[in-house]
Amino acid sequence: DIVMTQSPDSLAVSLGERATINCKSSQSVLYSSSNKNNLAWYQQKPGQPPKLLIFWASARESGVPDRFSGSGSGTDFTLTISSLLAEDVAIYYCQQYYSFPWTFGQGTKVELK
Amino acid sequence: EVQLVESGGGLVQPGGSLRLSCAASGFTFSGYYMHWVRQTPGKGLVWVADIDTDGGTTTYADSVKGRFTISRDNAKNTLYLQMNSLRDEDTAVYYCARDHGAFNAWGRGTLVTVSS
Repeated sequence: DIVMTQSPDSLAVSLGERATINCKSSQSVLYSSSNKNNLAWYQQKPGQPPKLLIFWASARESGVPDRFSGSGSGTDFTLTISSLLAEDVAIYYCQQYYSFPWTFGQGTKVELK
Repeated sequence: EVQLVESGGGLVQPGGSLRLSCAASGFTFSGYYMHWVRQTPGKGLVWVADIDTDGGTTTYADSVKGRFTISRDNAKNTLYLQMNSLRDEDTAVYYCARDHGAFNAWGRGTLVTVSS
């Protein structure tokens, strides 16, 4: 199984400041034939299901604000919130959909400082 | 509007069975692979099973293989998860999710509690 490891486990950020979350996979999730990384980022708020933010490591889902961006390739990925709003307080998960079983990171809790 | 609505959760004793349903609307259900994902406070998000568009191919996590069965009825726009021989560790919120590479639509989940 591909193990997804996120860092940090939690992060306190001031309003308007940048938040950076890292995700490392135990093996590459880059499909050489498509040159796409099968890596997604989700946001989950209390009492709600996860919401897709980013797919193919850097493609923003429709309707997701452009303050959210994804980067990285191979085994190392980053989700950046460029200017944190109060509504961004949530838990963020990375997920690989390169090989079965699909696996998620343990989550990173973003809080207000 | 895309909607996925799970039902069928509840309290069940170890060794018991439950059947979860996921009613889909707002999109062409038969055109998408579908998944079940569960979430516990301790283990986070865990993928459980998936099924292809016509139900002919299914895949399971090792932890549920041989005990759970995923199926679908495209005429009823409904996804199912038959859960047998339930264990304490199957206690979780179960979500259905639509596959578009990543999971781009989720239901609100249904809680399954396995306890004597």
